[in-house]
Amino acid sequence: DAKTTQPNSMESNEEEPVHLPCNHSTISGTDYIHWYRQLPSQGPEYVIHGLTSNVNNRMASLAIAEDRKSSTLILHRATLRDAAVYYCILRGEYGNKLVFGAGTILRVKS
Amino acid sequence: NAGVMQNPRHLVRRRGQEARLRCSPMKGHSHVYWYRQLPEEGLKFMVYLQKENIIDESGMPKERFSAEFPKEGPSILRIQQVVRGDSAAYFCASSRGHGVAGNEQFFGPGTRLTVL
Repeated sequence: DAKTTQPNSMESNEEEPVHLPCNHSTISGTDYIHWYRQLPSQGPEYVIHGLTSNVNNRMASLAIAEDRKSSTLILHRATLRDAAVYYCILRGEYGNKLVFGAGTILRVKS
Repeated sequence: NAGVMQNPRHLVRRRGQEARLRCSPMKGHSHVYWYRQLPEEGLKFMVYLQKENIIDESGMPKERFSAEFPKEGPSILRIQQVVRGDSAAYFCASSRGHGVAGNEQFFGPGTRLTVL
């Protein structure tokens, strides 16, 4: 499984945008970039995924570099409820298991 | 539309006892995955099942652990003769199909197993 690298932690102010980076320099052509998050004492929650083009949904946006070696999860207006561990995961087109790294702990200040 | 359900939410066992963890997937989902999160560690894949079949058990410990997903009823993760090192949060996820397209994994709230 291709490896991802994320900062250990980040801090944001409430109501401000947050950009969570992820490096995946060994990504293969068929790997999809997935983001999950885990709120305290809960199971992981799907956030967004993409292959080559930038993606938007009601939760977040995913910006993918042209060479696909990095990506950024964008939370447009952070709230206290967004405080969680965010995981960037590569998954092959037919891959089944999710391989979680350490993720980024996002702290949101009021 | 109910999400993935797991029970019990908390389970306490003494060393040597058996632990049975149950997972009911989302309606319409026939693929189930089990993950384990040890204290202060990340989530680790254990096993992937489709109705009545084990597809990938590469993350399952070789002894004492087993999983099933019968034609009727929930998926069961069974741990025999539990030891203190089995204390962890066990999460179940389900998906409609396999692979990426339209088959995101939805996770349950987890079962927190404590072995005394």
